[in-house]
Amino acid sequence: NAGVTQTPKFQVLKTGQSMTLQCAQDMNHNSMYWYRQDPGMGLRLIYYSASEGTTDKGEVPNGYNVSRLNKREFSLRLESAAPSQTSVYFCASSEGGVDYGYTFGSGTRLTVV
Amino acid sequence: RKEVEQDPGPFNVPEGATVAFNCTYSNSASQSFFWYRQDCRKEPKLLMSVYSSGNEDGRFTAQLNRASQYISLLIRDSKLSDSATYLCAVNPGSGTYKYIFGTGTRLKVLA
Repeated sequence: NAGVTQTPKFQVLKTGQSMTLQCAQDMNHNSMYWYRQDPGMGLRLIYYSASEGTTDKGEVPNGYNVSRLNKREFSLRLESAAPSQTSVYFCASSEGGVDYGYTFGSGTRLTVV
Repeated sequence: RKEVEQDPGPFNVPEGATVAFNCTYSNSASQSFFWYRQDCRKEPKLLMSVYSSGNEDGRFTAQLNRASQYISLLIRDSKLSDSATYLCAVNPGSGTYKYIFGTGTRLKVLA
């Protein structure tokens, strides 16, 4: 029972490089989310997808794009990485609605040099 | 004022102690609330929902105080394995499915 799977687990990028973080869930959840977690800042929402076919900006969307490829998969793309994007990125999913908590993936530790 | 605030701690308590954390929220329209546990360098894991009437799961009790706009988590008979960071999550209402997280309260249970 995999839950939420994120790849890669670790990545080092040079400033200006691009990359895509992958996320897939096998729980048939409707909603998916991308958060970043920085020391002292907590988890901040980057983008979310309430249901297949929809995406919305969160608190810190600048410098990122997302694609809800299908119900299972939600990817996060950094087009031109900057040192300020050094962070731990978590993907999460939920059944949707306000009564359901999240299941998180194990995270991607990204360093931009 | 932050939308969701937690005391960062650390709370250092001996094994067997009872400890409580609060999480305050600023939006009175907030609809639902959760507590998560996060171990060092791991992902957050859902601990429990917080219902208006309060709820209990073993040694853990969660309560909501809408009048004062905070939620609480009480841990009884603390175990070494309870050492972690506890995050609260608040849904701000208005039909959104997203949650705002607090920065977490760190708990260390000492032998």
